[in-house]
Amino acid sequence: EPEVTQTPSHQVTQMGQEVILRCVPISNHLYFYWYRQILGQKVEFLVSFYNNEISEKSEIFDDQFSVERPDGSNFTLKIRSTKLEDSAMYFCASTLGTSGRGEQFFGPGTRLTVL
Amino acid sequence: LAKTTQPISMDSYEGQEVNITCSHNNIATNDYITWYQQFPSQGPRFIIQGYKTKVTNEVASLFIPADRKSSTLSLPRVSLSDTAVYYCLVGDYNQGGKLIFGQGTELSVKP
Repeated sequence: EPEVTQTPSHQVTQMGQEVILRCVPISNHLYFYWYRQILGQKVEFLVSFYNNEISEKSEIFDDQFSVERPDGSNFTLKIRSTKLEDSAMYFCASTLGTSGRGEQFFGPGTRLTVL
Repeated sequence: LAKTTQPISMDSYEGQEVNITCSHNNIATNDYITWYQQFPSQGPRFIIQGYKTKVTNEVASLFIPADRKSSTLSLPRVSLSDTAVYYCLVGDYNQGGKLIFGQGTELSVKP
């Protein structure tokens, strides 16, 4: 069964450093997402991406964040200068439909720890 | 996007049927109702989606009354492995499909 993959599974970084979280969505999917979940809290939407551009973003997704689809398979989330409060699980998701409706498939997540 | 309210936690025993109800009084005409399951340290997993009446798949049923102001996820004969957090989400997925998660219902299945 196809699945979304994410690397690394755990990233530890120093405050102020740049990090890039990587995702490989399911190959024929068209809509991609990033969510984050701070420990013990709910899952929060960050950004959606379709047709090589951001479709929608939340208030959390400020100038420190960026997304990119550098090739036909990878989808990345970059945090330019990490803060302590960026420590969280980051989930990538993808969906087949062009409207974004329907089942979203989530990856296993990357645990980001900012020291 | 409609706000949802669901119980914070529920307890059950193996083999029982579990019903988790979600209220969404402000649901709009274009909104769909979707349920996701999340195990600790894993990404959410889609369970079921519906618009009205009843939807059934191999793992669950979703009951939606005519006014659509609430919905009930039904898990038949739960097992220990069904212990997880269950999220009810309501949204117009024609608008890009972002999912707005609430706090979810933490289901604990005991032997």
